[in-house]
This record gives sequence, C-alpha cells and structure tokens, in this order.
Amino acid sequence: AQTVTQSQPEMSVQEAETVTLSCTYDTSESNYYLFWYKQPPSRQMILVIRQEAYKQQNATENRFSVNFQKAAKSFSLKISDSQLGDTAMYFCAFETSGSRLTFGEGTQLTVNP
Amino acid sequence: GAVVSQHPSRVICKSGTSVKIECRSLDFQATTMFWYRQFPKQSLMLMATSNEGSKATYEQGVEKDKFLINHASLTLSTLTVTSAHPEDSSFYICSARGRLDRGTTDTQYFGPGTRLTVL
Repeated sequence: AQTVTQSQPEMSVQEAETVTLSCTYDTSESNYYLFWYKQPPSRQMILVIRQEAYKQQNATENRFSVNFQKAAKSFSLKISDSQLGDTAMYFCAFETSGSRLTFGEGTQLTVNP
Repeated sequence: GAVVSQHPSRVICKSGTSVKIECRSLDFQATTMFWYRQFPKQSLMLMATSNEGSKATYEQGVEKDKFLINHASLTLSTLTVTSAHPEDSSFYICSARGRLDRGTTDTQYFGPGTRLTVL
C-alpha cells in the first residue's frame, strides 16, 4: 500500500519570502505520479504542480517548484515570492497509473503580510 | 473556468431524509469519478470510485447502502446519502478523471464540494 506523509501540520512565511513544504511517500511501484494540491478557504481543490516519476527534471510552475528525490522518496514543494493568496492547506498526493489518489494529511500554510 | 461542477453547494436536511449530490464534468468525458468526504482540518477520505456503466467500488468501512452512487453517463455521477443522520454531516467532494485536450495526460479535476448539514 502507498502512504504519503506530510510532517509539517502548520507553517507560516512572510510575504515575498520563500517557503518549502515537505512530503515523503512510500511505494514499491516504479512508475507513478506525484502532485501538490492547494485548498484555500473556499475549499476548492486546485492542482498546483505534478511530477512524473520517470522524469528526472524537477517540475516548475511559475513561483512553484518541486525537489523530487526518487531514491529518498521525497517530494517537497518550494513557493517563491510568497503571496497572501498562497494561504491555504496544501496536500501532497501520489497516484499510480489509472488508480486513485493517496493524499497526505496536509500542511496549513499562512502567508503573513 | 471550472471543469467540474457540484450541486448543491450547501444543503441542510432533517434526520431521516435522503439527499442527492450531483457531480458533472463540464469540458471532458470522465470514465472515472471519485467521491471524497472531508472533516474540518483533515485530509480527503476516499469513499468510493465510480465508473460509468458499472457499479461503484466502495472503500472499506463505507456503507454502500447508505451512500448510493450512480454514474449514469460520462459526465454525471450522483451520490445519494440515504436516511441521513447528524453524523453524516460533512463536506463531500467529487472529482473526475479525464483530459481536457488530446495529447495531455489524464488528470483528476475536483468539484467545489458540498457542505451537508443534517439536523
């Protein structure tokens, strides 16, 4: 069974600074996908970034980037130039091809002005 | 714009009544839809996986007679909470797996959720 662990229940960062959210996972699969989802107070789940396990290059989406360490089974999210609108719950998630998503417990990020 | 809609967004009902929640994929056909339940400040808990034209697959501990799922078409899945009780009060989220454009990979898109309150 796959598991996803987010060891930081809460984090805070000052506006315009950089913050990194941690995620580790456990699987015996070799081909899979990793995601970071954002859930703001509206509770709409929003896909932030995805990473295919077979790709060595770390995914980036504007201010969001990941540090994917396959051997260590680590998948951290870096948010640069943090904005007030980044305040949300962030979920790390894992998926093998065609299967369901397995979510971590989430990290509540607060961006302070 | 939104690619998955959910209706209603909020519902309040009396104990013992049934409530139906609809989930629609707006811009793509979804062969698979998922239903989640989320308690405050917690992660999403998968309740069931719904495939068009076949019976839903329920997660362990989820009562299939309590939470009826129908995936009638490639764009619509419904969750009916039967004989609702206060402990069924929760936030229910659906997602649909599909691709918006040819050449892209399948992705799960989430609906905005439904807050159910059972009095």
